Amino acid sequence: EAGVTQFPSHSVIEKGQTVTLRCDPISGHDNLYWYRRVMGKEIKFLLHFVKESKQDESGMPNNRFLAERTGGTYSTLKVQPAELEDSGVYFCASSRRVLPYNEQFFGPGTRLTVL
Amino acid sequence: DQQVKQNSPSLSVQEGRISILNCDYTNSMFDYFLWYKKYPAEGPTFLISISSIKDKNEDGRFTVFLNKSAKHLSLHIVPSQPGDSAVYFCAASEGSGGGADGLTFGKGTHLIIQP
Repeated sequence: EAGVTQFPSHSVIEKGQTVTLRCDPISGHDNLYWYRRVMGKEIKFLLHFVKESKQDESGMPNNRFLAERTGGTYSTLKVQPAELEDSGVYFCASSRRVLPYNEQFFGPGTRLTVL
Repeated sequence: DQQVKQNSPSLSVQEGRISILNCDYTNSMFDYFLWYKKYPAEGPTFLISISSIKDKNEDGRFTVFLNKSAKHLSLHIVPSQPGDSAVYFCAASEGSGGGADGLTFGKGTHLIIQP
């Protein structure tokens, strides 16, 4: 079973530019999550998709961040325009929708540097 | 306001001995707890989880203990091996999703196993 994949692995952009991160979840996983880790801090939840619907986007920092999940498969996270404080590692995770408990499987992350 | 706290940034343990990693939480609504292990440049890898209806869960060398009254959990690794050297994250979720909701992470503890 292939794991969660993320593209690109690294991205360096200038302040004001736009960046789009992509996540491909494990096949068959309805739940997809985005997290971010800013240097020296904890991993923070951004949002949660169930199939193509946004279940919870309470962690999104502001309206410069836009997440989509077309057809309930892969997801993209766009940052437009990027600011210096957006630098960090963006993780994607997925899980099956099997109750009562299910663990989240994480991708390797995309390291974003905004100069 | 950190809801999940790992107060030890690092821990050094001799190979073959027991490693004990601690985690405290403040949100009484958390009902599902997970431990993740992370190597540099990789995403977190799920290790073990526990529901709030239990006080112990064991999987091979890894055991997680939950003390709800103290809002405290710990991860025991016995015996510790060199490959266990990594950063360990404690995470929690609330609600009936059993981990399907977004996770709240601690800052992590860097475990170093000395030969």
